[in-house]
Amino acid sequence: GAVVSQHPSWVICKSGTSVKIECRSLDFQATTMFWYRQFPKQSLMLMATSNEGSKATYEQGVEKDKFLINHASLTLSTLTVTSAHPEDSSFYICSARVGGGAYEQYFGPGTRLTVT
Amino acid sequence: RKEVEQDPGPFNVPEGATVAFNCTYSNSASQSFFWYRQDCRKEPKLLMSVYSSGNEDGRFTAQLNRASQYISLLIRDSKLSDSATYLCVVAPSGGSYIPTFGRGTSLIVHP
Repeated sequence: GAVVSQHPSWVICKSGTSVKIECRSLDFQATTMFWYRQFPKQSLMLMATSNEGSKATYEQGVEKDKFLINHASLTLSTLTVTSAHPEDSSFYICSARVGGGAYEQYFGPGTRLTVT
Repeated sequence: RKEVEQDPGPFNVPEGATVAFNCTYSNSASQSFFWYRQDCRKEPKLLMSVYSSGNEDGRFTAQLNRASQYISLLIRDSKLSDSATYLCVVAPSGGSYIPTFGRGTSLIVHP
């Protein structure tokens, strides 16, 4: 149980275009979803936390107008990287928390974004 | 002081060895603790939760020391397949649950 999927698993796009990444909890309802970014050989960096039906909470230094997060349902959250630039190239990972008394997070397989 | 600190390593050990990692945290209000494992270019996977009474799962033992504010992970009889980065995660309980990840400790198990 507790499977999280992400789509696409990798994407190459041109500078200036927008990319949407989907994160789905497949066999549970996720009260909270998190979006992380990870550069090579670096730690996970939390970008934002989203709860279903409410606006995402962004971490300091993360531009909310550039990284649009929509948590439309208890099983789906999307991250849109708008007007992507080469420096946005990274590994984007979502995770979902089951909620209630459980605090474990389950991670999606990640999306590797390359902006040329 | 960083909220969650880990020795990045790498810890280079032979097969069969016992190895232990520590992770210190600064927020005394932290209530939830986890160890995750991350393989190169893959997502983190939950290894085990860390309970106040400790937690053992096969060759892996996790412990919590609230007084000194650290958690530990002990791996016995290391396998080649244990080579990975081990991430410690600390979070408060309750509605404002925001997990904080350590940078990870790299383990390399060699033949």
